[in-house]
Amino acid sequence: DAGVIQSPRHEVTEMGQEVTLRCKPISGHNSLFWYRQTMMRGLELLIYFNNNVPIDDSGMPEDRFSAKMPNASFSTLKIQPSEPRDSAVYFCASSLTGQTDQPQHFGDGTRLSIL
Amino acid sequence: AQSVTQLDSQVPVFEEAPVELRCNYSSSVSVYLFWYVQYPNQGLQLLLKYLSGSTLVESINGFEAEFNKSQTSFHLRKPSVHISDTAEYFCAVSDQGTGFQKLVFGTGTRLLVSP
Repeated sequence: DAGVIQSPRHEVTEMGQEVTLRCKPISGHNSLFWYRQTMMRGLELLIYFNNNVPIDDSGMPEDRFSAKMPNASFSTLKIQPSEPRDSAVYFCASSLTGQTDQPQHFGDGTRLSIL
Repeated sequence: AQSVTQLDSQVPVFEEAPVELRCNYSSSVSVYLFWYVQYPNQGLQLLLKYLSGSTLVESINGFEAEFNKSQTSFHLRKPSVHISDTAEYFCAVSDQGTGFQKLVFGTGTRLLVSP
């Protein structure tokens, strides 16, 4: 079975450019999470969707960040405009129900470098 | 607010030696506890979890962790490590009452197994 698929795997772009990260969750999973991993702050939850609806976006750093889930099989995380401090590895994860006893399945991440 | 402390950023061990990776958490409510493993350039994979019942939980590849409520700890152990266990290990906690699995991660412990 295919796992969580993220694209691109690597992205290098200049400051001020728009960046779009993509995620395809595991089929049948109705919950999707976006995380950011940095050396300084570790792994942080950015936003959580359930049945395509954003439930908790308290971790989104600022208005430059936005996330959408137009359907059950696709989500995007957009940064506009991007800044060097946004450089990090961004992970998408999905789970069957999102409930507290369900494991999250992570994609391989997108390594983002903002020059 | 919950927090997770992994005091050891890096643990070097020789192959076939035992290892313990420490995890302490802080929470005012009941929690679920998790250990995730991250291999280079990959996403996190669930290693084991404590939800309820027996305080000793095991994974399929020989790791075990014990929930100690009085010490608010969930240390990960393996009696004999392999080279292939080299990875980064993350302890995480989720409040039982949030309605969804809002994981709070520790900063990770890098396990380095050498021959």
